[in-house]
Amino acid sequence: EAGVAQSPRYKIIEKRQSVAFWCNPISGHATLYWYQQILGQGPKLLIQFQNNGVVDDSQLPKDRFSAERLKGVDSTLKIQPAKLEDSAVYLCASSLEQAGASGYTFGSGTRLTVV
Amino acid sequence: AQSVSQHNHHVILSEAASLELGCNYSYGGTVNLFWYVQYPGQHLQLLLKYFSGDPLVKGIKGFEAEFIKSKFSFNLRKPSVQWSDTAEYFCAVTVVGFQKLVFGTGTRLLVSP
Repeated sequence: EAGVAQSPRYKIIEKRQSVAFWCNPISGHATLYWYQQILGQGPKLLIQFQNNGVVDDSQLPKDRFSAERLKGVDSTLKIQPAKLEDSAVYLCASSLEQAGASGYTFGSGTRLTVV
Repeated sequence: AQSVSQHNHHVILSEAASLELGCNYSYGGTVNLFWYVQYPGQHLQLLLKYFSGDPLVKGIKGFEAEFIKSKFSFNLRKPSVQWSDTAEYFCAVTVVGFQKLVFGTGTRLLVSP
């Protein structure tokens, strides 16, 4: 089966600019996750969708980050305006159901560098 | 708050050496446990997972992990590592009834040929 697709793979922007990342989960996976992985740290959950509804966005910095999952399939994550500390790899993952009993499948990530 | 600790940040081994990576979690309720591996330049891949039953779990590529509930631990083991095992390893936990998958900080393993 096709994996979780993410684009772009790399992005370099200046601080205060905006950026958007795209994720296409595995077909049929109802649950979609966005994680932020800062260098030297483990991935941190930013937001979780169940179909097109938000289940958990408690760690999403809502003053600058936003995410949507229209039609319950693809998702976009946006940062506006970006800060230096947003430099990280942004990972998208999907699972068949909540709590990922069948496991989570991760995409290759988007590496963001804010200069 | 739920947290996951991986004590070894960097491990260097020679080929054929045995491996054990530590993982401890802080939550006292029923948990699901995972080990993920990230090879250089690649995405996270599931090595193995524990949900219930036999606490000794066997995964892909000869890896296994043992869930010891009394110690809140889920250590990863491999009897003989290969150069191709060079990667970063992440322990992760979800609490049953909650959806959030919480990762440890990772252990970077370097296997020298």
